[in-house]
Amino acid sequence: TQLLEQSPQFLSIQEGENLTVYCNSSSVFSSLQWYRQEPGEGPVLLVTVVTGGEVKKLKRLTFQFGDARKDSSLHITAAQPGDTGLYLCAGAIGFGSGGSNYKLTFGKGTLLTVNP
Amino acid sequence: DADVTQTPRNRITKTGKRIMLECSQTKGHDRMYWYRQDPGLGLRLIYYSFDVKDINKGEISDGYSVSRQAQAKFSLSLESAIPNQTALYFCATSPGREQPQHFGDGTRLSIL
Repeated sequence: TQLLEQSPQFLSIQEGENLTVYCNSSSVFSSLQWYRQEPGEGPVLLVTVVTGGEVKKLKRLTFQFGDARKDSSLHITAAQPGDTGLYLCAGAIGFGSGGSNYKLTFGKGTLLTVNP
Repeated sequence: DADVTQTPRNRITKTGKRIMLECSQTKGHDRMYWYRQDPGLGLRLIYYSFDVKDINKGEISDGYSVSRQAQAKFSLSLESAIPNQTALYFCATSPGREQPQHFGDGTRLSIL
């Protein structure tokens, strides 16, 4: 069972277009992280959202955490070829005594291609 | 120099062989992780370690074993490799609970 559903799986757009990537779950997360991965490299953290309803901006990227902390979205404005890559969301869930530890569960990723 | 270094970067081997993938880090983080990445399946956790004396199975640990030789070193072994273990393997570190994970550049493993 996939805990985190990411959509779309593939997205190919022209430079200058806007796009939104979604990350959905039936589980509540204590926090959610977004990563970007380029070919031949490991994922690199873009942002962490913690509070329900939180919105964070990173230049042309806007990240939102759902009010119930079950979902998140990544919106890119005026996409550029340099935005091309695999975008991964990862939700943190506590476990153990009092939730003292946590695990990250990753979505399957959205492969974005921005054509010049 | 990379903070999280994985060796080898690429490996092709035959079914039944024993393989070790190594990970070393200079970030001083206590927590280390091994993931595999497959097309369409995303990143799946194999093993994780919160300190040198703490090793835990992830969601897909069957067929794998790990060793945490020091705070900075965490190795992954495939005792008898099989073709469905062909994948991209990543090591990651983090400084603590819910902190971002820092990934190596991966090992591409092909088992024939």
